[in-house]
Amino acid sequence: GAVVSQHPSRVICKSGTSVKIECRSLDFQATTMFWYRQFPKKSLMLMATSNEGSKATYEQGVEKDKFLINHASLTLSTLTVTSAHPEDSSFYICSAPGTGYFEQYFGPGTRLTVT
Amino acid sequence: AQSVTQPDIHITVSEGASLELRCNYSYGATPYLFWYVQSPGQGLQLLLKYFSGDTLVQGIKGFEAEFKRSQSSFNLRKPSVHWSDAAEYFCAVGERDQGAQKLVFGQGTRLTINP
Repeated sequence: GAVVSQHPSRVICKSGTSVKIECRSLDFQATTMFWYRQFPKKSLMLMATSNEGSKATYEQGVEKDKFLINHASLTLSTLTVTSAHPEDSSFYICSAPGTGYFEQYFGPGTRLTVT
Repeated sequence: AQSVTQPDIHITVSEGASLELRCNYSYGATPYLFWYVQSPGQGLQLLLKYFSGDTLVQGIKGFEAEFKRSQSSFNLRKPSVHWSDAAEYFCAVGERDQGAQKLVFGQGTRLTINP
């Protein structure tokens, strides 16, 4: 089946620094990818949809300048958390759509801790 | 906007016992419904989905779910749970938004298995 990877799986950074999370589709191409944020004991909240060759589409309430999304190629999307603060600590998950209705393949997630 | 409610945050059952996880959705037409399982270190895995037709759908790992329009529900069931079923379970509904096929997730239910 289709595989989506994320790197790193865990990252700890200091407040005020930026951190980049990569999402790769390993055996298929994806013109769009989804980025989710999951708070402890909470649902997955869609943050944005990255689009290869064009700007990402952000969900209402998500700070575009805080969460920079780039879809550099048909197999790579990146999420950069800029000037991170402790409240940005969370579990970030990406997914890539498959060919079926609403089909998505999910990455294993990245645990971000901002100290 | 569509929404999904999973009333039970945490459920504990004994190994070998039956399981039912509840899911209620809010949508006017026939929804596209999904159940996913999230295990530590792994991406969300699709258990089953309902689009139309037979209201009782079979999934992987011995799970099934029943779509009940009158109750706006899509409950997940398993006749006999195994210790390996301990995980977080998410119900989701598909939503079309500006051409993109997005998923709206419920809050999740954490399943604990007693030996």
